[in-house]
Amino acid sequence: DTGVSQNPRHKITKRGQNVTFRCDPISEHNRLYWYRQTLGQGPEFLTYFQNEAQLEKSRLLSDRFSAERPKGSFSTLEIQRTEQGDSAMYLCASSLARVITDTQYFGPGTRLTVL
Amino acid sequence: QQPVQSPQAVILREGEDAVINCSSSKALYSVHWYRQKHGEAPVFLMILLKGGEQKGHEKISASFNEKKQQSSLYLTASQLSYSGTYFCGTGASGGSNYKLTFGKGTLLTVNP
Repeated sequence: DTGVSQNPRHKITKRGQNVTFRCDPISEHNRLYWYRQTLGQGPEFLTYFQNEAQLEKSRLLSDRFSAERPKGSFSTLEIQRTEQGDSAMYLCASSLARVITDTQYFGPGTRLTVL
Repeated sequence: QQPVQSPQAVILREGEDAVINCSSSKALYSVHWYRQKHGEAPVFLMILLKGGEQKGHEKISASFNEKKQQSSLYLTASQLSYSGTYFCGTGASGGSNYKLTFGKGTLLTVNP
């Protein structure tokens, strides 16, 4: 399977703990995105990388959230001091920038539950 | 600002047609359509660009009215596998068109 993969698929944590999620994009895709999705809503943009450079962060992304994409391959999203409001599905997508607008392919997501 | 999708939900019998609409208050460069089944990743269906370019799947068609900032997704001869939630994601005109803003979705249920 050469699609976008995410790990873990599910994460249950206690309030105040730190969590880290990993995303492996489609091979050779140079753009990588993180979105958050809550029940009954569409995905909400969090941040975007082109290669290893983080080019944009949403205002939704508080200081407790940090994302990296070392070497322009996989990416990690870390949430520090989790809160119950962080409970959501965290989706990763990747694309190959050939033209101005490109198709984003989503991974299966990591479902975070904060108790 | 989030695009508005209509209807919120629709129930079909297999073989019937459906139209899902997406409307934005912002000037758009692109509209992206996805289908998501419960607990799964959104699956790409169609992308429409300002200027008329489209790419997507054979059995699905869509339109993009640039003047009205509206898009419609046409599902014909629906199959059971078409069931799911359909999202439109919009890319704004200007530099940030890669950042998609999604609607709340339209839940489509196809019954035998």
